[in-house]
Amino acid sequence: DIQMTQSPSTLSASVGDRVTITCRASQSISSWLAWYQQKPGTAPMVLIYEASSLESGVPSRFSGSGSGTEFTLTISSLQPDDFATYYCQHYTTYSLTFGPGTKVEI
Amino acid sequence: QVQLVQSGAEVKKPGASVKVSCKASGYTFTSYDINWVRQATGQGLEWMGWMNPDSGNTAYSQKFQGRVTMTRDTSISTAYMELSSLRSEDTAVYFCARGLFVHTGPPGYWGQGTVVTVSS
Repeated sequence: DIQMTQSPSTLSASVGDRVTITCRASQSISSWLAWYQQKPGTAPMVLIYEASSLESGVPSRFSGSGSGTEFTLTISSLQPDDFATYYCQHYTTYSLTFGPGTKVEI
Repeated sequence: QVQLVQSGAEVKKPGASVKVSCKASGYTFTSYDINWVRQATGQGLEWMGWMNPDSGNTAYSQKFQGRVTMTRDTSISTAYMELSSLRSEDTAVYFCARGLFVHTGPPGYWGQGTVVTVSS
């Protein structure tokens, strides 16, 4: 089974900071990776799919890159609304595998 | 607009079963796959299984194999997830989620979540 890891697990940052979160897969997953943002008490929201495609309606300060086993989510200038937990997710037609999450806090 | 509306909170005793529904609207139900994901309080997201609402084909996480059953009723655009032999560790919020694209892509639309509490 493919395992997903994320680093860091917690990230302290300030408004305006550039933030990078890393996700690694235990074996190559090509570009079948999505990134989600989740705020307490709400369902996750997809930000990025296919490693680098920005979902419609998501602010352009979010970007994704990588392929194979190493991926990054970058927030170019952190906004107050961005303090949340971020998950990477490997997806296939029949399965999902989530990373453990990265909490971005003030 | 796409909406997934889940059934209400449940309280169950250990050993019982729970069946959560997910009613879809705003799109053609049979064209988009449904995944079920759960999240215990303060924990991460855990995938439970996948269903193609058109064919009824399913695939389950090994962790839940034998305990979970995913079904659908296309006449009312509703998907169901039933989990049996409940234990306290199954206490969590359960989400249904629809794929972004026709029979492909990651989940892009989510239900509001159903709280399932397992307690004696």
